[in-house]
Amino acid sequence: GAGVSQSPSNKVTEKGKDVELRCDPISGHTALYWYRQSLGQGLEFLIYFQGNSAPDKSGLPSDRFSAERTGGSVSTLTIQRTQQEDSAVYLCASSPTSGTEAFFGQGTRLTVV
Amino acid sequence: AQRVTQPEKLLSVFKGAPVELKCNYSYSGSPELFWYVQYSRQRLQLLLRHISRESIKGFTADLNKGETSFHLKKPFAQEEDSAMYYCALGGGRGSRLTFGEGTQLTVNP
Repeated sequence: GAGVSQSPSNKVTEKGKDVELRCDPISGHTALYWYRQSLGQGLEFLIYFQGNSAPDKSGLPSDRFSAERTGGSVSTLTIQRTQQEDSAVYLCASSPTSGTEAFFGQGTRLTVV
Repeated sequence: AQRVTQPEKLLSVFKGAPVELKCNYSYSGSPELFWYVQYSRQRLQLLLRHISRESIKGFTADLNKGETSFHLKKPFAQEEDSAMYYCALGGGRGSRLTFGEGTQLTVNP
């Protein structure tokens, strides 16, 4: 594909429900990142995948958040028992290799009502 | 550990004035530094990288290893430069890209 693709673009969910956010990185990119961007705030790092290495989960805010990356390609970020404070734009990015330029998706805007 | 500091969360200048967005980093190895920009309702995109030593949209940034800084500069700001700017640090293979907290630049007419 031409770039990093995220789906859905927008998601409205009820408090307490689980949600799954999808990221399709650029083909061949080995590094994949998830960030969160709350209204008027900067980027909050969530999780980082690099090849077959164990992911860096140090940014996940709670155990309600998890992510996986299947076959070194598509990634899914799952938020269980959503809370209103989870409302934000969730951004995915991929890089050809670790530590180099990252290409961002358009984000998923999550609204928990 | 890698760390990026952008001391100004908000920066406001008038059109035609010079602008400098500050970025300081902490890293023990050989850094790769980037500036990203996010215009309203657009995705985050790369503005420039230090290894290219390029000027994009009139912006330049010089890596100063002595001061561990990578400040973004433009001599004459334009209204269309209004955006959120992020400085990012890459430490090469095996390390993840680390972003600063961002600076919201507003260029007033």
